[in-house]
Amino acid sequence: DAGVIQSPRHEVTEMGQEVTLRCKPISGHNSLFWYRQTMMRGLELLIYFNNNVPIDDSGMPEDRFSAKMPNASFSTLKIQPSEPRDSAVYFCASSFSLQGFKIYTQYFGPGTRLTVL
Amino acid sequence: AQTVTQSQPEMSVQEAETVTLSCTYDTSESDYYLFWYKQPPSRQMILVIRQEAYKQQNATENRFSVNFQKAAKSFSLKISDSQLGDAAMYFCAYSGNPGSARQLTFGSGTQLTVLP
Repeated sequence: DAGVIQSPRHEVTEMGQEVTLRCKPISGHNSLFWYRQTMMRGLELLIYFNNNVPIDDSGMPEDRFSAKMPNASFSTLKIQPSEPRDSAVYFCASSFSLQGFKIYTQYFGPGTRLTVL
Repeated sequence: AQTVTQSQPEMSVQEAETVTLSCTYDTSESDYYLFWYKQPPSRQMILVIRQEAYKQQNATENRFSVNFQKAAKSFSLKISDSQLGDAAMYFCAYSGNPGSARQLTFGSGTQLTVLP
C-alpha cells in the first residue's frame, strides 16, 4: 500500500511568492495533519482535519498560511506571501480515527523541504 | 497542556550493544497513547513503537521495547543489539483525548549515533 504522499519534495522560492504544498493521505484514513519542523521550534502542529473538516488550526502561524481539504484524498497547505522565516520541513500525516475506537497512530509523509530566499 | 521532555540531546552506542533513550511527559489525562518515532537522515518520520496508557504490559517490537512507568510519567525506549541502521533522531510523542483524533505533542528529540 502507498503511504502518505507529499509533493513537491523540495521547493525553493523567493520571498513574496506563493507556495503550495500538497498531500495525499493513506486511503481509508479520515484524519490529516500538517506539521512544521524547524531547528528552533522542533515539530509543531499547524492544523488538522477530521473527515475533511478543519478541527484545530490554532497552530497556523499567521493569516499568510491556509490549508484546505476538498476531499478525503487530497489536502493543500498554502503560504502567501512566503517569507524567509517560513523555511522549514513541512510534514503531512494521516491516521484513522473512529469515535470510541482507539486508534491514534499517525503515519507521516516524506516531508517537503521549503526554502524561501 | 501536555508536554514531552527528552533530556538527552545526543546518545551513542556501540554496534550490537543496548541503549536506552529517556522520555518523560506531563499530563492530567488518564488515557492516552505514547509513541517513539525515528527520523533518519532521509528525514522520513517512521513509527517505531506505541504504547496505550491503559495497558500495563510494556510494548515490544523486535529489538525495540519500552519501559512505561505511568505513575512516574516515564516512557523510555530500549534498543537491543543496536545496528548501524538505527542511527537517527528519535522522537518521543504523546497523543491524548480518547475518542477523537488529536495531534501529537513531540519531545525535542535524541540524536542516536551507532559506532561500528
